[in-house]
Amino acid sequence: GENVEQHPSTLSVQEGDSAVIKCTYSDSASNYFPWYKQELGKGPQLIIDIRSNVGEKKDQRIAVTLNKTAKHFSLHITETQPEDSAVYFCAAKVIYNQGGKLIFGQGTELSVKP
Amino acid sequence: GAVVSQHPSRVICKSGTSVKIECRSLDFQATTMFWYRQFPKQSLMLMATSNEGSKATYEQGVEKDKFLINHASLTLSTLTVTSAHPEDSSFYICSARDRDRDAHEQFFGPGTRLTVL
Repeated sequence: GENVEQHPSTLSVQEGDSAVIKCTYSDSASNYFPWYKQELGKGPQLIIDIRSNVGEKKDQRIAVTLNKTAKHFSLHITETQPEDSAVYFCAAKVIYNQGGKLIFGQGTELSVKP
Repeated sequence: GAVVSQHPSRVICKSGTSVKIECRSLDFQATTMFWYRQFPKQSLMLMATSNEGSKATYEQGVEKDKFLINHASLTLSTLTVTSAHPEDSSFYICSARDRDRDAHEQFFGPGTRLTVL
């Protein structure tokens, strides 16, 4: 089945710096790749997603890139702020005959130091 | 829009008792709901997928007789942990797919912290 690997597991940056989180997936049939932010004790919140027919997508300080050939996708956060500190999860959607299910990466704990 | 709620947010129970967790889509109709379990410092693991009006599909290794899922309406799904044991203590999160939106998107609830003593 699908397997999603996420790196790094922890990331510490200074406020204002950029942060990059990378994921690889195994199932070439996957076609939807969301990123979630999870704060302590809360459910994950979708921050950006990308579909397989797009190579890059940007939303203000957040961008995601997708390389389908290499089966990897990345999250880029620019001008980081302390409130960006959280755990970030990537996911890949595997399609099967009656729908699909998200397979999550292991998560990256991002710490932005003021 | 696309808000998912869970109740309760926290529950503590004694070993051997059953606990029911509710997941509601507040402003949309959810044809499909998903239940995840998350242990501390770990990722979300899909337990089961439920479609309104039909039986849930469980992931490999998840006991369907222990984790009972009911999706009786387009806005409500319930997860019942039967005969709970300390190893069932975890953070349970549901998510829902909006019938009228992009089929890819899933909206997550705030989670339920279950502690079994």
